[in-house]
Amino acid sequence: GAVVSQHPSWVICKSGTSVKIECRSLDFQATTMFWYRQFPKQSLMLMATSNEGSKATYEQGVEKDKFLINHASLTLSTLTVTSAHPEDSSFYICSARNSGRAETQYFGPGTRLLVL
Amino acid sequence: QKEVEQNSGPLSVPEGAIASLNCTYSDRGSQSFFWYRQYSGKSPELIMFIYSNGDKEDGRFTAQLNKASQYVSLLIRDSQPSDSATYLCAVIKAAGNKLTFGGGTRVLVKP
Repeated sequence: GAVVSQHPSWVICKSGTSVKIECRSLDFQATTMFWYRQFPKQSLMLMATSNEGSKATYEQGVEKDKFLINHASLTLSTLTVTSAHPEDSSFYICSARNSGRAETQYFGPGTRLLVL
Repeated sequence: QKEVEQNSGPLSVPEGAIASLNCTYSDRGSQSFFWYRQYSGKSPELIMFIYSNGDKEDGRFTAQLNKASQYVSLLIRDSQPSDSATYLCAVIKAAGNKLTFGGGTRVLVKP
């Protein structure tokens, strides 16, 4: 149980294009999902908290117009990196909170983004 | 002072020995504590969570929580080379719903 999937696992794109990453909780409902970014040899950095049916809450310094988050259902949240640039290249990881198991969060496998 | 602090390591442990990892946190009202393991290039995977003072055991792992001293630790018994990874301590602060991570402790188990 408590499986979270992400798609795609890898994406390479040209500078200026937009990239959409999907995060799904496969065997539980997640009213809250989280999006993180991790640069090499650094710790996880929370970007935003995504709540089903409402607007995402962004952490300080994260541009909400650049990183669009949609949480349309209890099992799906999407992150769209708009007009991606090379500095957006990173490892993007989502997590989903299993409300039925206290506050435990389970992480997806991550999406590696390379912007050329 | 960081909200969640861990020694970055590396913590070098011989195979079969006990690895002891420590984590301290600053928010005294924190309620929930988690240990995640992250292999290089992979996302974190949950090892254990603990909410109450004392010890909690799961297989070769034991989490210990001391709220008065604001620390949580993780013991790995009979360490194996496959346990070599970065271990992340995470805390949910009072009245919050998001994890605050420490910087992680890198563990190396040598055969």
